[in-house]
Amino acid sequence: QITLKESGPTLVKPTQTLTLTCTFSGFSLSTSGVGVGWIRQAPGKALEWLALIYWDDDKRYTPSLQSRLTITMDTSKNQVVLAMTNMDPVDTATYFCAHLTFAYRYYDFWGQGIRVTVSS
Amino acid sequence: QSALTQPASVSGSPGQSVTISCTGTRSLNLVSWYQQHPGKAPKLMIYDVTKRPSGVSNRFSGFQSGHTASLTISGLQAEDEADYYCCSFAPTGTSWLFGGGTKVTVL
Repeated sequence: QITLKESGPTLVKPTQTLTLTCTFSGFSLSTSGVGVGWIRQAPGKALEWLALIYWDDDKRYTPSLQSRLTITMDTSKNQVVLAMTNMDPVDTATYFCAHLTFAYRYYDFWGQGIRVTVSS
Repeated sequence: QSALTQPASVSGSPGQSVTISCTGTRSLNLVSWYQQHPGKAPKLMIYDVTKRPSGVSNRFSGFQSGHTASLTISGLQAEDEADYYCCSFAPTGTSWLFGGGTKVTVL
């Protein structure tokens, strides 16, 4: 049974760095064909893909935010961490992490999401 | 603005069928569809254009022709009322794109 859960601060100030952790179980990021991605959703808006890390530590970022994002993994802890620098109120959103099946590039298991508000 | 265009809303009566389109500015690749109820995480409904994960009703079906993919919900039920998002693996092979989402209303 695959589960994922996001954790981190729910309130950050503008210009600060947001660090979110996705803790998962039921699979290993050491296994070929697996990835963990981050997707966010601003209030009342559509899903927006942010970043992904593959089992081999290959990383992908959305072009518009690439300069602000860093994704890393700790296979021993079954965790994936997303850091986003220079936070702005427009980054207020619910942030989801999700398990990726490489063969068809789909996200088949999702965390419950964490609501992050950017405000001074 | 999303590079994948979906209608903002579609509606139908119970038992009817509705179809949601997803049109890309470039070729769509490995299209998947997600259902999201208010306040919940998205749920995978279709992957690789037409495939259904285990546990997803066969009332949900996918299709693609050229730059447009579509999701059809047959035999509409009250529980199908939700937002639906298409997703495509970008032609560059380095990122994913989500559509703007479609709200399905069961009348």
